[in-house]
Amino acid sequence: DAGITQSPRHKVTETGTPVTLRCHQTENHRYMYWYRQDPGHGLRLIHYSYGVKDTDKGEVSDGYSVSRSKTEDFLLTLESATSSQTSVYFCATSGTGPEKLFFGSGTQLSVL
Amino acid sequence: SQELEQSPQSLIVQEGKNLTINCTSSKTLYGLYWYKQKYGEGLIFLMMLQKGGEEKSHEKITAKLDEKKQQSSLHITASQPSHAGIYLCGAGYSGGGADGLTFGKGTHLIIQP
Repeated sequence: DAGITQSPRHKVTETGTPVTLRCHQTENHRYMYWYRQDPGHGLRLIHYSYGVKDTDKGEVSDGYSVSRSKTEDFLLTLESATSSQTSVYFCATSGTGPEKLFFGSGTQLSVL
Repeated sequence: SQELEQSPQSLIVQEGKNLTINCTSSKTLYGLYWYKQKYGEGLIFLMMLQKGGEEKSHEKITAKLDEKKQQSSLHITASQPSHAGIYLCGAGYSGGGADGLTFGKGTHLIIQP
């Protein structure tokens, strides 16, 4: 399995505060992804990266930004957290091709 | 509308019984990926199908992709408690594009002893 570490694993924050989630990989994979998982919606793509400093929006990108300054790190930022962003966030990576994804263990984010 | 539909949404099966989970796409797939998720954990890759008519097996789990590459099924034979979890199918549509997979909503599988 790919070495993918997400931090923090759990976070509780208040509405309006900025939040940054980190994904760190040790596999030198080119592609990295942020998904959110919600009951009734399944997994939905937020943003993705196809190389250092190369990122693009996914299906549910509003309210989120990302940065990738190094191959191994992909950061997801909620500039001003809202209750609708309470979710489980998963980072995924791929090296052999953009479709065979390996997932981190997830971050449970609660926005009160 | 959802591009990828999974059925059933949930499934309760007695231990030892067989079961099937379906995944249907509204358009032709480039690739179809099956994942398993244990509650509170990340997704574990199970199998990848890319050719029409392809079938793959791993232990007691078999996955098939139809000839038209729009439907896949996951079949578990003689289910065990270790099979419990959420099964998700992921579809690749772009044939090499960087935008990852589109996922179904998942099937919650419960195995009753």
